[in-house]
Amino acid sequence: EAGVAQSPRYKIIEKRQSVAFWCNPISGHATLYWYQQILGQGPKLLIQFQNNGVVDDSQLPKDRFSAERLKGVDSTLKIQPAKLEDSAVYLCASSLAPVVGQGAGANVLTFGAGSRLTVL
Amino acid sequence: GIQVEQSPPDLILQEGANSTLRCNFSDSVNNLQWFHQNPWGQLINLFYIPSGTKQNGRLSATTVATERYSLLYISSSQTTDSGVYFCAVSGNYQLIWGAGTKLIIKP
Repeated sequence: EAGVAQSPRYKIIEKRQSVAFWCNPISGHATLYWYQQILGQGPKLLIQFQNNGVVDDSQLPKDRFSAERLKGVDSTLKIQPAKLEDSAVYLCASSLAPVVGQGAGANVLTFGAGSRLTVL
Repeated sequence: GIQVEQSPPDLILQEGANSTLRCNFSDSVNNLQWFHQNPWGQLINLFYIPSGTKQNGRLSATTVATERYSLLYISSSQTTDSGVYFCAVSGNYQLIWGAGTKLIIKP
């Protein structure tokens, strides 16, 4: 099966500019996650979708970050305006089911290759 | 919320050595996953193991849920095992990630 697709792989922008990242999850995966990973740290969940609804966006800086998953398939994460501290890798992941619920392989996360953002 | 602590933070070994990575968590969980992040940044799921023992080739994992820890064993290390190993746990709907163990395997 095809993996989780992300684009672009790399992006360099000036502070205060905007950027958008795209993610296409594994076919049939209902749950989609966006994570931010700063160099040397573990992934930090930004937002979790179940189909096209938001399950958790408590750590999303909503004044500058937005995300959507309009048809319950692919998703876009936008940053506007970008700050220096937004420099990170943005990881998209998907799972068949939410983290809790159906157990076993249903809530195992599969990650894309990530989108590396550098803000100058 | 649940706290996750991984040890050791760094580990340097010669090729062929065995290693044990530990993940301690502060509360009961119903989901525990081990991931490997290679030097190019790709995160790969190694095990889904909220309890019990699993093996996959040279890797195996054991979770003792009642004592709130999980162990990842790597035998006969290869240079391709280098990278960061993360443990992530959940008691509800959100995975909580540890800080990772950085493993370097020298040829």
